[in-house]
Amino acid sequence: RKEVEQDPGPFNVPEGATVAFNCTYSNSASQSFFWYRQDCRKEPKLLMSVYSSGNEDGRFTAQLNRASQYISLLIRDSKLSDSATYLCVVKDNTNAGKSTFGDGTTLTVKP
Amino acid sequence: DTAVSQTPKYLVTQMGNDKSIKCEQNLGHDTMYWYKQDSKKFLKIMFSYNNKELIINETVPNRFSPKSPDKAHLNLHINSLELGDSAVYFCASSQGGTGQTGYTFGSGTRLTVV
Repeated sequence: RKEVEQDPGPFNVPEGATVAFNCTYSNSASQSFFWYRQDCRKEPKLLMSVYSSGNEDGRFTAQLNRASQYISLLIRDSKLSDSATYLCVVKDNTNAGKSTFGDGTTLTVKP
Repeated sequence: DTAVSQTPKYLVTQMGNDKSIKCEQNLGHDTMYWYKQDSKKFLKIMFSYNNKELIINETVPNRFSPKSPDKAHLNLHINSLELGDSAVYFCASSQGGTGQTGYTFGSGTRLTVV
């Protein structure tokens, strides 16, 4: 089983749609969680951290469920510019902060 | 000002050659990383240095040797290049290896071994 598993995707949605990505992790020692965005042929960029109480940044909402070892990202009112690959990342702070990336979920927002 | 810069951006070389990739960050971060992204887009950690000290060394062939002359620089030297080494190599940095701190990535070095 992979340490970090994401929805396989791809997700193709119309502009204005709400879309949710899920991610599960297997290492219960994982302590920090993030979502990154990677555009085609570009480097990953930090989208947002994920906090235990859940957090929101504009149209983006991240949730963490430690008991179920599950992270989610919700994007509301999708824009064309949201088209990218979204990477779930978990960090094991007991292992020198080793971060493990999920394989990513590709989102395409269409007009 | 580029925060994490890698050189070269593209590298095409023949099998058996030795090559180096350089990385520098001007963010004042104390931890730097090398990640490999293969053709299937999977990102895998290779190495991590904290204040010039190696702290993460994943199962990577010993043909790959990282060097950190100071905390702002982390270079990657690859000996006897093989076809399977073709990938995009990303350097990244963070302030503190642990905690709720994310990474800043360089723009990547696209290595093609022919």
